[in-house]
Amino acid sequence: QSALTQPPSASGSPGQSVTITCTGTGSDIGAYYYVSWYQHHPGKAPRLLIYEVDKRISGVPNRFSGTKSRNTASLTVSGLRADDEADYYCTSYAGDNIVLFGGGTRLTVL
Amino acid sequence: QVRLQESGPGLVKPSETLSLTCTVSIDSMTDFHWSWIRQPPGKGLQWIGLVFANGTTTYNPSLKSRVNMSVDKSKRQFYVQMRSVTPADTALYYCARDVPDFSGLSNYFDYWGQGIQVTVSS
Repeated sequence: QSALTQPPSASGSPGQSVTITCTGTGSDIGAYYYVSWYQHHPGKAPRLLIYEVDKRISGVPNRFSGTKSRNTASLTVSGLRADDEADYYCTSYAGDNIVLFGGGTRLTVL
Repeated sequence: QVRLQESGPGLVKPSETLSLTCTVSIDSMTDFHWSWIRQPPGKGLQWIGLVFANGTTTYNPSLKSRVNMSVDKSKRQFYVQMRSVTPADTALYYCARDVPDFSGLSNYFDYWGQGIQVTVSS
């Protein structure tokens, strides 16, 4: 299995919306609803934002939303804030209890 | 509050075995899977593998030949060993709790440790 594909970078101005994509195959994202998204500030533990494609974990603001279409999952961050600047990773279940990570997207708030 | 804490040597010599422990502050490890994930410098996160509470394991195919994981529920700890390490194994290593779905499939990681830096160098 190969890693999921994410754009290396994304950016937006405060208040704007940004969407980060995560592309897999019919054997992972396309086959299961077990897609999750994590926010990672350097030096801190990754933080779960979204699980099962579109469910927000408790405490995550509704500015963060997830969707999936066929083999591609997406994370949208609305109303960008300075503290949203971080690395974002997607994961997907890929069968046989294997988990795939995306390569990560560095989100910059301009 | 669930807490995970990684421990182990921060420096390992090439060709030797890297051994890490994750200690979990939770009454029971039974209902979850337990994973190791790493981040090489300047790179993204890489899933290493997971151990079920019953001791069954699955590993990243790219690391499978060198990795072994185990769990000791009585100590509330789980472990990873990686053999024949090289400088490419230098990374920040995280342990994480894996919440399975109703049928036991790996689903998402809800709690993570702070990470432990491991450097492979002579």
